[in-house]
Amino acid sequence: DSGVTQTPKHLITATGQRVTLRCSPRSGDLSVYWYQQSLDQGLQFLIHYYNGEERAKGNILERFSAQQFPDLHSELNLSSLELGDSALYFCASSVGGSGRYEQYFGPGTRLTVT
Amino acid sequence: GNSVTQMEGPVTLSEEAFLTINCTYTATGYPSLFWYVQYPGEGLQLLLKATKADDKGSNKGFEATYRKETTSFHLEKGSVQVSDSAVYFCALSGNAGNMLTFGGGTRLMVKP
Repeated sequence: DSGVTQTPKHLITATGQRVTLRCSPRSGDLSVYWYQQSLDQGLQFLIHYYNGEERAKGNILERFSAQQFPDLHSELNLSSLELGDSALYFCASSVGGSGRYEQYFGPGTRLTVT
Repeated sequence: GNSVTQMEGPVTLSEEAFLTINCTYTATGYPSLFWYVQYPGEGLQLLLKATKADDKGSNKGFEATYRKETTSFHLEKGSVQVSDSAVYFCALSGNAGNMLTFGGGTRLMVKP
């Protein structure tokens, strides 16, 4: 158990819908990262928050947005869902904002868009 | 930009065999290097890391050495077990950003 929690574990929804994925980092960690894992694209970085502020964006679609709240939990919002958005979404946390710190991954949310 | 290349799998070995999974990278500056393992139906677990050239990361019998001259971080284990069957990901985080850049993953299957 990494100490990072993600809810829900599974999500099945229809095209065009909007969903929210939630992540709680390990106690004491200030950074939250979101990654998408799909069969065709592999593991791709989406976005990084550090202590409530956005630090970096990767291959995140404009239909996707995220935020980190004062209690440091984070939410990833996916809207106007398409079949191609079906994937595993992981969040990871680390104690600092530098790349030298290990990132600890949650169990993931499996999103299926039908 | 940063990139990581891993040997394609699956790698199939018998129990107690020697394991090598090759990983090479492209990055500017001095990235930190990581190996993560993903067991079926689970998230990624950090296996080991190295943050500077010639560092050796080790954990649970697995080792990898940060070789700047060959831009490599190959994963090795002297004697694999059936329980090591999983997908292994090589990753780096570089000076250009704190995010992890992953290789494509290598599936390891160990037969009794």
